[in-house]
Amino acid sequence: DAKTTQPNSMESNEEEPVHLPCNHSTISGTDYIHWYRQLPSQGPEYVIHGLTSNVNNRMASLAIAEDRKSSTLILHRATLRDAAVYYCILRAAGGTSYGKLTFGQGTILTVHP
Amino acid sequence: EAQVTQNPRYLITVTGKKLTVTCSQNMNHEYMSWYRQDPGLGLRQIYYSMNVEVTDKGDVPEGYKVSRKEKRNFPLILESPSPNQTSLYFCASSLGTSLTEAFFGQGTRLTVV
Repeated sequence: DAKTTQPNSMESNEEEPVHLPCNHSTISGTDYIHWYRQLPSQGPEYVIHGLTSNVNNRMASLAIAEDRKSSTLILHRATLRDAAVYYCILRAAGGTSYGKLTFGQGTILTVHP
Repeated sequence: EAQVTQNPRYLITVTGKKLTVTCSQNMNHEYMSWYRQDPGLGLRQIYYSMNVEVTDKGDVPEGYKVSRKEKRNFPLILESPSPNQTSLYFCASSLGTSLTEAFFGQGTRLTVV
C-alpha cells in the first residue's frame, strides 16, 4: 500500500484557518486521497476525498498538488469541536483492496480558545 | 439516520470465554470490515467482507472469525480471547467503491483478563 506521512501534531486558535499537510510521494495514478478524523472517544468520520482536482464540502477543503505527491486539508475556521486526530489515507480505485482504509498515525490537532 | 451500530460498547471478559461483538448497518452497503485500534499502532484491519458470504483476512486476523450471512450484519467472533486482544474495536461499512465515504461504528472497548 502506498504510504502517507503527516506531522504528529499541530495547533491552532479558534476561528483561524488550519492547513493540515500530507505527503504521499508513492501514490499511484488510481489512488484516491481521503481524509478522516477521529474525535475523542468516537469512531473515525469521513471528512473529504479527491483524486486530482481541489475539492470543497461543508466541512473542509482539499487542495491536491499538481503532481499528486502531497495534499493539504484546509479547515477554514477552526472550532473547538475540530480538535481531533486527522488521518490522510490513500484508497485504491479497484481490485480487492478498494474498501480498505490504511490508517497511519495521523495528526493530532489542538484548537485553543 | 444512516449508521453503523456495534454492541456492546464495553466488555470485560476472561481468557478463553467465547464472545461475539455485533455490527449492523442500515445503508445497504456491500463492504464491511473490522478494525482494532491500539496505542502507537493506529487502526489495523482485522477482516473484511465485500458482500454476503464473502469474507477475507485483513492485516491482523489471527484469533478472530467473522461471518456475513446477511448484508446488514457482520459479527466479530473471538473463539478463545486472550489478553493481547484487549483493544478498541471498530466496525465500518461502505458502498462497493472507493469513491464514497466509509461509516464507522462508535467502537467496542474490550478488556480480556
